[in-house]
Amino acid sequence: TQLLEQSPQFLSIQEGENLTVYCNSSSVFSSLQWYRQEPGEGPVLLVTVVTGGEVKKLKRLTFQFGDARKDSSLHITAAQPGDTGLYLCAGARTGTASKLTFGTGTRLQVTL
Amino acid sequence: DAGVIQSPRHEVTEMGQEVTLRCKPISGHNSLFWYRQTMMRGLELLIYFNNNVPIDDSGMPEDRFSAKMPNASFSTLKIQPSEPRDSAVYFCASSLEVYNSPLHFGNGTRLTVT
Repeated sequence: TQLLEQSPQFLSIQEGENLTVYCNSSSVFSSLQWYRQEPGEGPVLLVTVVTGGEVKKLKRLTFQFGDARKDSSLHITAAQPGDTGLYLCAGARTGTASKLTFGTGTRLQVTL
Repeated sequence: DAGVIQSPRHEVTEMGQEVTLRCKPISGHNSLFWYRQTMMRGLELLIYFNNNVPIDDSGMPEDRFSAKMPNASFSTLKIQPSEPRDSAVYFCASSLEVYNSPLHFGNGTRLTVT
């Protein structure tokens, strides 16, 4: 059972465009993490959001945790080719990684 | 720190053969995880250890899969006998068992069973 659904599954955009990736669930999570995975490598943590409604910014990336802690979004402003990769959200039922559930993933390609 | 180290990076084997994947976690991390990633099913947790003890192996597909962690710096995932449907990328990850600690992944082992 996939508890975290991400949309869109695939996204191909041109450099300079903005985009938003969504991560949705019917379950409540104590925290939510976003990872980016590049070809041939393992996922790497981008951010952790903990509080409902929390917004975190990482350069051109803005992450938001839903008020009810069931969903999250990732917004990228002025995408660059270096943003290309697989974006994964992961929800924690408790505070520890042992209960982390990964989303279905969004594969982003940014072209020149 | 060198990060989580997995070997081999690629493994090609014939159906029925035994396959052993290896992992060295980050020093000081007390939790270790084995994940499998496929296009169809995404990233799935197979098993995780805490302080070298297997805590949850409910994700292990069947008895052909087994995992061990003989000490804090080494773990193996074994498939015997292997089948073509086991073809996937297998990731090992480690973390501290503390609040909101992230997972640190290795670069994976790409397994192809023909």
